Amino acid sequence: DADVTQTPRNRITKTGKRIMLECSQTKGHDRMYWYRQDPGLGLRLIYYSFDVKDINKGEISDGYSVSRQAQAKFSLSLESAIPNQTALYFCATRGDYNSPLHFGNGTRLTVT
Amino acid sequence: KNQVEQSPQSLIILEGKNCTLQCNYTVSPFSNLRWYKQDTGRGPVSLTIMTFSENTKSNGRYTATLDADTKQSSLHITASQLSDSASYICVVSANTGGFKTIFGAGTRLFVKA
Repeated sequence: DADVTQTPRNRITKTGKRIMLECSQTKGHDRMYWYRQDPGLGLRLIYYSFDVKDINKGEISDGYSVSRQAQAKFSLSLESAIPNQTALYFCATRGDYNSPLHFGNGTRLTVT
Repeated sequence: KNQVEQSPQSLIILEGKNCTLQCNYTVSPFSNLRWYKQDTGRGPVSLTIMTFSENTKSNGRYTATLDADTKQSSLHITASQLSDSASYICVVSANTGGFKTIFGAGTRLFVKA
């Protein structure tokens, strides 16, 4: 089983719809992250969480919200999807600042 | 502004050949630099980490170098294999009080038989 699991793997939705992307991990890490990947750009941080009671905005948080339901679960929501949110979304975990990020296999989201 | 730039954007090589990917950064204060490999349809996976005092580190056929003075890193792949076809992402971390991680856009490598 994958250490970091993202669902769904692919999603097509319409403008204005609410959508949730889910992430669960079995690595026991406290730090969890949501990134967005667009062609020709580096991954950009949307939100991050260092424990269940800690939620922080990243560089591109507008239009997104998150929920840390448990140490192992971190979900990303788009309250009202728009076409420029079409992208590949990655969840990642990390043990500490000097440890590597462990990524899920991504969710490809298309907003029409 | 903290930035990470990679070159080339894409590269095609024949199986068995060597190649070198470049990464220039302006991130400060520097903490560490990692190279990640991202296969198509998968998340990135860490290959190497380098700190300020290290200038070479190997992981099998992958060798990363770091010149902290010129703020440049390279990833050298020896005797390429078809499975090396992937994107290679340079990631630089800065310790700014909070810890900041900046990703390059990646180099897309195609290894052809």
